[in-house]
Amino acid sequence: GIQVEQSPPDLILQEGANSTLRCNFSDSVNNLQWFHQNPWGQLINLFYIPSGTKQNGRLSATTVATERYSLLYISSSQTTDSGVYFCAVRRWNFGNEKLTFGTGTRLTIIP
Amino acid sequence: GAVVSQHPSRVICKSGTSVKIECRSLDFQATTMFWYRQFPKQSLMLMATSNEGSKATYEQGVEKDKFLINHASLTLSTLTVTSAHPEDSSFYICSASWTSGSYNEQFFGPGTRLTVL
Repeated sequence: GIQVEQSPPDLILQEGANSTLRCNFSDSVNNLQWFHQNPWGQLINLFYIPSGTKQNGRLSATTVATERYSLLYISSSQTTDSGVYFCAVRRWNFGNEKLTFGTGTRLTIIP
Repeated sequence: GAVVSQHPSRVICKSGTSVKIECRSLDFQATTMFWYRQFPKQSLMLMATSNEGSKATYEQGVEKDKFLINHASLTLSTLTVTSAHPEDSSFYICSASWTSGSYNEQFFGPGTRLTVL
């Protein structure tokens, strides 16, 4: 199956700092989503981004499908950004819609 | 945005009992729903794909007689953990797939924390 690796696994930053999270995948995909899992376990949809660049407030994401990676940028971090960030992908041309999740990046923002 | 609910949010039961978890898409119809399991400090692992009106598709290593899935309508899927044992204690999360042409995005419920004593 497809392999999805995220880096770094852990990241500790001061409030106000910027960060870049990376997601590498081993095969062509036609769906890529970024999620934030809050401390209560809820997964919040951040981006649906199989290719290209999107921005939403302090967050932006870029997927370079031909090179099989995606980046999530967080600017001016706030303590509420703490949690685990997952990317998840769907393989190209697979009949089903299932996602394969990455290993996650645990982000801790210190006041 | 698309909202998915899950009930109950937390359940504690004795070993040997069965537990049913409900997953509902509140503002859209979902022909496909998914059930995941997550252990502490780990990623989500897909257990099964639930299709409305047909049998669920289980991932390799997931016991279908242990984890019964029913997708009776376009807005409701249920997961029943039968004869639960302590090793079944985990965080169970469902998702519902919103599809329009080639666009396909999954939205997740808040999860159910199962503790088997």
